Amino acid sequence: DVVMTQSPLSLPVTLGQPASISCRSSQSLVYSDGNTYLNWFQQRPGQSPRRLIYKVSNRDSGVPDRFSGSGSGTDFTLKISRVEAEDVGIYYCMQGTHWPGTFGQGTKVEIK
Amino acid sequence: EVQLLESGGGLVQPGGSLRLSCVASGFTFSSYAMSWVRQAPGKGLEWVSVVGTSGASTYYADSVKGRFTISRDNSKNTLYLQMSSLRAEDTAVYYCARGLVLIDYWGQGTLVTVSS
Repeated sequence: DVVMTQSPLSLPVTLGQPASISCRSSQSLVYSDGNTYLNWFQQRPGQSPRRLIYKVSNRDSGVPDRFSGSGSGTDFTLKISRVEAEDVGIYYCMQGTHWPGTFGQGTKVEIK
Repeated sequence: EVQLLESGGGLVQPGGSLRLSCVASGFTFSSYAMSWVRQAPGKGLEWVSVVGTSGASTYYADSVKGRFTISRDNSKNTLYLQMSSLRAEDTAVYYCARGLVLIDYWGQGTLVTVSS
């Protein structure tokens, strides 16, 4: 299985400051159709996961533009330009290129 | 509005069986692959199984292969997960999710607890 490694696993951030989460895969996530199926999910406390970003850098409808995704091949990043209180939660990267789909361990974002 | 509503979770003894259901609404159910993803208490996310649009194609994580069966009824907009030979390590919240490579919407989850 493709191993997804996130860092850091815990990220204390001051309100209004930027945050960055790294996600690395053990294999290239470029699929035979040319797409890279790397997604980012947010899980707020007590809630189901919510997709924020799909195919590396495409923001889902309703997702604030302070969230952005980037990367290629095996290295990917989720950035929050200015952290707000509602951003507290656990963030997961997930690859859908190789079966079975696999998730990173999660990065817990909290306010300092 | 896309909605996924799971049911069927509960407490079951090791070795027992349980069937989960997920009723979908707000989209053309028969046009999407559907997945089950689980989350053990305090842990991360694990993909369990996926079924193609017609139900003919199914895939399972190694951890559940031979014990779990995924199926769907497109006439009822319903996804199922039949779980047998349950183990303590199957204890988790089970989420129904739309899609496979581009999984997007998730249900609220149903808790399965395997314990004597």
